[in-house]
Amino acid sequence: AQSVTQPDIHITVSEGASLELRCNYSYGATPYLFWYVQSPGQGLQLLLKYFSGDTLVQGIKGFEAEFKRSQSSFNLRKPSVHWSDAAEYFCAVGTNAGKSTFGDGTTLTVKP
Amino acid sequence: DAGVIQSPRHEVTEMGQEVTLRCKPISGHDYLFWYRQTMMRGLELLIYFNNNVPIDDSGMPEDRFSAKMPNASFSTLKIQPSEPRDSAVYFCASSPDRVSGNQPQHFGDGTRLSIL
Repeated sequence: AQSVTQPDIHITVSEGASLELRCNYSYGATPYLFWYVQSPGQGLQLLLKYFSGDTLVQGIKGFEAEFKRSQSSFNLRKPSVHWSDAAEYFCAVGTNAGKSTFGDGTTLTVKP
Repeated sequence: DAGVIQSPRHEVTEMGQEVTLRCKPISGHDYLFWYRQTMMRGLELLIYFNNNVPIDDSGMPEDRFSAKMPNASFSTLKIQPSEPRDSAVYFCASSPDRVSGNQPQHFGDGTRLSIL
């Protein structure tokens, strides 16, 4: 069965600093990987996705993620964090059965 | 384009009452998912449908929970009778059918359910 681990429950960064959120997955076949963001009182919104091809994928709001098969990782990065990026971030792995398995999420706090 | 629409946004009711949550997926999407989110358990998949047919309901916690999808544009999640431990935010999400692999899900804004 597939699984997703987000090792960091909570991360705090200063505004303008770089960000990296970690994600490790377990899946027996080619993974379909996603990052979602959830702002308070809202549903999850897709940031970016990886299906195949270039292992560095660009998303919305200046985010990018790099797929590393050898490490079973799909870490999310942003070079300069803005206060509006404070939210909860979820990594997910999709299966051929049509559903996705989500990690437990990482809460990002941005210090002024 | 309208996104996934859930109603009501908030529901407060007393334990023992029947609760019905509603969802309208994005037109043309073939998959519909129901999730529950709590601080303690995080985001849990309850059930999902493909072309209106339930595919996997193994996440439904008890027989008190039931879900239906009578047509491609409407789904309900019902709790009867409700209990305080059912208090959570319930999300509905939809996604298009696979052209290749797995497609990302589009989430509604959720229903915040409080059972007193």
